[in-house]
Amino acid sequence: NAGVMQNPRHLVRRRGQEARLRCSPMKGHSHVYWYRQLPEEGLKFMVYLQKENIIDESGMPKERFSAEFPKEGPSILRIQQVVRGDSAAYFCASSPKGLANSYEQYFGPGTRLTVT
Amino acid sequence: SQQGEEDPQALSIQEGENATMNCSYKTSINNLQWYRQNSGRGLVHLILIRSNEREKHSGRLRVTLDTSKKSSSLLITASRAADTASYFCATATSRGSYIPTFGRGTSLIVHP
Repeated sequence: NAGVMQNPRHLVRRRGQEARLRCSPMKGHSHVYWYRQLPEEGLKFMVYLQKENIIDESGMPKERFSAEFPKEGPSILRIQQVVRGDSAAYFCASSPKGLANSYEQYFGPGTRLTVT
Repeated sequence: SQQGEEDPQALSIQEGENATMNCSYKTSINNLQWYRQNSGRGLVHLILIRSNEREKHSGRLRVTLDTSKKSSSLLITASRAADTASYFCATATSRGSYIPTFGRGTSLIVHP
């Protein structure tokens, strides 16, 4: 059973371009979570999705950022018109069900976005 | 704002010694989790302790939780060079859909 997969692992974009980060959850997992990690910082929650639905996007910037988790295919975190401050590691995690019953999250290896 | 804060920020020890990291938090929680992150990698879940539990063990790891002091500790016994990593505590509450809120982490270096 493959773990959570993220691609690309490294992404370089110029200011103003779009960044698309992909996350394939573990097999059988229908809950996906996106986090951002700045250097020397902990992970900051961005958005929580269940197939075709956004459950909680309280950590997502209101502008330029969007996320989706379609019925088929990976979850996508999209950043439009990137700025230098978007440079960070973006991690995806998945779980088989919601976390209310202490289900564990499984993290992917992350995508390191560099905006030049 | 950060819910959990780890202490110390950095810890450097010799192989074979024990490493203790602490985590303090502000509001009532449902559970507290500890994660490890090797440099440039994703997070690995170590232990989850529920608010009604006081202590849990997993191999060389021992986690305690004191809800009256709103604090937790992670003890790694007989440390190894391979334990070198950053360690994060994360707290979860029902208000936040039980999504863990992470602290800044403790950077542990174990010298061979």
